[in-house]
Amino acid sequence: DGGITQSPKYLFRKEGQNVTLSCEQNLNHDAMYWYRQDPGQGLRLIYYSQIVNDFQKGDIAEGYSVSREKKESFPLTVTSAQKNPTAFYLCASSTPGAVNTEAFFGQGTRLTVV
Amino acid sequence: DAKTTQPTSMDCAEGRAANLPCNHSTISGNEYVYWYRQIHSQGPQYIIHGLKNNETNEMASLIITEDRKSSTLILPHATLRDTAVYYCIVRLHSNFGNEKLTFGTGTRLTIIP
Repeated sequence: DGGITQSPKYLFRKEGQNVTLSCEQNLNHDAMYWYRQDPGQGLRLIYYSQIVNDFQKGDIAEGYSVSREKKESFPLTVTSAQKNPTAFYLCASSTPGAVNTEAFFGQGTRLTVV
Repeated sequence: DAKTTQPTSMDCAEGRAANLPCNHSTISGNEYVYWYRQIHSQGPQYIIHGLKNNETNEMASLIITEDRKSSTLILPHATLRDTAVYYCIVRLHSNFGNEKLTFGTGTRLTIIP
């Protein structure tokens, strides 16, 4: 089955440690996105990538980094510079320019920094 | 990207039609209106999208005003499983590398038994 997979579902880290969240898709989508969601809040865009080896900052990129070495994968690193990293992180993918296809979302990773 | 404005929350009685409004007054001619919903602690799920014509699928109907500055998502017979946060977004479909998906805060819809 085609889909988008985020792992792990729950992640705990100590303050000051970098952590990398995985996002893999087998939908052959060119574009991938990372969002952050805080309790009771909407989705805020962290980074997005339209094509391999290229990515752009979203609205809240500070303290995060990404890479896009393969079409299928778009890992997000939450660095120690991120002041408040505890949140629900969502990854999505889509086909740019394709009107009749929607974006697909993973089931999210809940990161807790203690 | 055009911004959207939605009510923070709404209630609807089970079995009735739920009508969720969205304002997108700065929408441009080549931006589509998309609706997603998110059930607690899951990834958002696609519902429907449209450009200027009204659209219907097995989940919902989408009514877009003639000037395209607002739209309404209609869930014709709401059930308890429709309780979720509903997001209205405008999406530019572009082959030029400038497509991004921007979400607002959405409408928290509660279906009342």
